[in-house]
Amino acid sequence: EIVLTQSPDTLSLSAGERATLSCRASQSVSSSNLAWYQQKPGQPPRALVYGASSRATGIPDRFSGSGSGTDFTLTISRLEPEDSAVYYCQQYSSSPTEYTFGQGTRLEIK
Amino acid sequence: QVQLQESGPGLVKPSQTLSLTCSVSGVSISSPDYYWSWIRQSPGKGLEWIGYVFYSGSTAYNPSLKSRLSISLATARNQFSLRLTSVTAADTAVYYCAREATEIRNFAQESYFDHWGQGKMVTVSS
Repeated sequence: EIVLTQSPDTLSLSAGERATLSCRASQSVSSSNLAWYQQKPGQPPRALVYGASSRATGIPDRFSGSGSGTDFTLTISRLEPEDSAVYYCQQYSSSPTEYTFGQGTRLEIK
Repeated sequence: QVQLQESGPGLVKPSQTLSLTCSVSGVSISSPDYYWSWIRQSPGKGLEWIGYVFYSGSTAYNPSLKSRLSISLATARNQFSLRLTSVTAADTAVYYCAREATEIRNFAQESYFDHWGQGKMVTVSS
């Protein structure tokens, strides 16, 4: 099983700052199959980025993804109060079919 | 627009069977463009993929749950369902149904969960 480890566990930043969230895989992951999600309390996760760097429909360009192999990053520029949430990375691999999520990074906007 | 909605009992006794249904609107589950998944979230284990069903009826399951799990389509009702047998307290979680979209970019297939239901809290307790 591919394990995804996110860091930091919690990030506290001010509005207008830049957030950098990390996702490290226990073995190489295809960039095509790495996605990021945002989850607010009481809501399901919402897709932000797929294919490591493509923004999902309706996601503002403040959100960007990068990385390859075992190291991936979600960057949120110009933080806004509504960005306060938990962020998850997720990977898919075949042979055998497997989807795994990271443990999440909690982003707090001061 | 695309909407997914989970339904089923919110309380299941230990050793019994957990059954949930996901009703889909705005898109046909008979489309070959999507996979239909169940995902759960518990405080102890975070987000865990349970399994998916494809329009053809083919399935893939999380190996840790495979021996207790069945996911099926009800195409006439545009629904898909989850059955998890012999449940224990460890199966207590919020259960989500989700659509997996795929896209070809640079000759590679990219996939992600683009639509989710609101979630159904299921508690396993006597």
